[in-house]
Amino acid sequence: LAKTTQPISMDSYEGQEVNITCSHNNIATNDYITWYQQFPSQGPRFIIQGYKTKVTNEVASLFIPADRKSSTLSLPRVSLSDTAVYYCLVGGRDDKIIFGKGTRLHILP
Amino acid sequence: ETGVTQSPTHLIKTRGQQVTLRCSSQSGHNTVSWYQQALGQGPQFIFQYYREEENGRGNFPPRFSGLQFPNYSSELNVNALELDDSALYLCASSTGSADTGELFFGEGSRLTVL
Repeated sequence: LAKTTQPISMDSYEGQEVNITCSHNNIATNDYITWYQQFPSQGPRFIIQGYKTKVTNEVASLFIPADRKSSTLSLPRVSLSDTAVYYCLVGGRDDKIIFGKGTRLHILP
Repeated sequence: ETGVTQSPTHLIKTRGQQVTLRCSSQSGHNTVSWYQQALGQGPQFIFQYYREEENGRGNFPPRFSGLQFPNYSSELNVNALELDDSALYLCASSTGSADTGELFFGEGSRLTVL
């Protein structure tokens, strides 16, 4: 499973767009990139998954450059309720899901 | 659609005791994974069960064991509890297919070992 590196923490303000970048230099050909969100004392929740280019859903967008060695989770117009830990994971869809330390996002009023 | 439920939500044990945590998987899911999450850390993979068989294990000692039942619910057993076992234990279910590999997590069982 490819190792991922993401910032330990980030601060932003309500209404801003937040971009969290994840590095995964050793990503394999069959690996997908998946992001989870976790609130305190709750289980992680799936946000988005992609393989290449751009994926968008009702919650977020995921940008993946052609070399796939990094990815960026974009959260549009964040609110206080988006304060959480965000995990970037890389692996095949049949792989066991392994979490890193994640990025603590703190949204300020 | 019934989500993943875990019990108990909180419990306190002393060193050396044994604990059993329970998980009911989401309807239609045949795969259950267990994770341990210490305070301030990401979830650590313990093991996964697929159709009642262990299907992968993380770096945890044998005193961490599990079961999956025919209805796909699951148990995590931890023997000879140590202080470092204090953590949030998360159960996640999935379909076991390669569709998205998405895991659906329960709210967790918070274990405190004194």
